[in-house]
Amino acid sequence: ERVMTQFPATLSVSPGKSATLSCRASQSVGSNLAWYQQKPGQAPRLLVYGASTMATGIPARFSGSGSGTEFTLTISSLQSEDFAVYYCQQYNNWPYTFGQGTKLEIK
Amino acid sequence: QVTLTESGPALVKPTQTLTLTCTFSGFSLSTNGMSVSWIRQPPGKALEWLARIDWDADKYYSTSLQTRLTISKDTSKNQVVLTMTNMDPVDTATYYCARGRGRFDTWGQGTLVTVSS
Repeated sequence: ERVMTQFPATLSVSPGKSATLSCRASQSVGSNLAWYQQKPGQAPRLLVYGASTMATGIPARFSGSGSGTEFTLTISSLQSEDFAVYYCQQYNNWPYTFGQGTKLEIK
Repeated sequence: QVTLTESGPALVKPTQTLTLTCTFSGFSLSTNGMSVSWIRQPPGKALEWLARIDWDADKYYSTSLQTRLTISKDTSKNQVVLTMTNMDPVDTATYYCARGRGRFDTWGQGTLVTVSS
C-alpha cells in the first residue's frame, strides 16, 4: 500500500501571499496524483489530477507539480475562500490512498 | 449536471450490518469507463477510500476492509449500494460516494453514520 505523507500538517499564511503544500509517496505513483480541497461541513472538491492538470472551474492561482514520489500544490495570492484542508490522493496503485491532510489557516 | 446523494441509517449498533445507497444522476454507470467509489471520513480525520465499482461490474476493495465490504450497482435505478458488516464504533464516519476511476471529480454531500449501542 502506498503511504501518502503530507507536510506541513498546518500552514499559516497571510491573505495575498503564496502557499506551498507538499505530498510524498512511499513509492512512485507516477503522475497519478490528485489534490482536493475540503471546507468544514463540505465534501472534498477536486482541484488537480494527473499531478498538474487543473480540474474544471479551478482558479488559475492553483497549480500542481511533481511526479514519482514528490508533489506540490501551490496557491498564489491566497484568497479568504482558500483557507481549508487539502488532501493528496494517489490512484496509481490499489488500494487508493489519501494523505492525512494539510490545514491551511489564516496568519 | 452530475449529482450523487448518499442515504442510509444515521445510527447503527455494534455488530450490525450497514447498508448505504448512492443515488446519482447526470451520468450512467453502464457507460464505458465510468466508476463510482465509496470513501469515508471519521470526524476530524482524513479520508479513506473503501470500494469501487466499474461500468462492467468489476469491483475493488480496501485491503484492510475487504472481508467486510460488498459493493453492487443497479444500473436501471442509477444506484450503487455499499454494505459493511460487523460495524464497530471506530467505523463512525461520514460516508461519501464519488464518481471517478482514479480521481474523484464529483462527490455526494456525505452521510454521517454513528455506531453506538
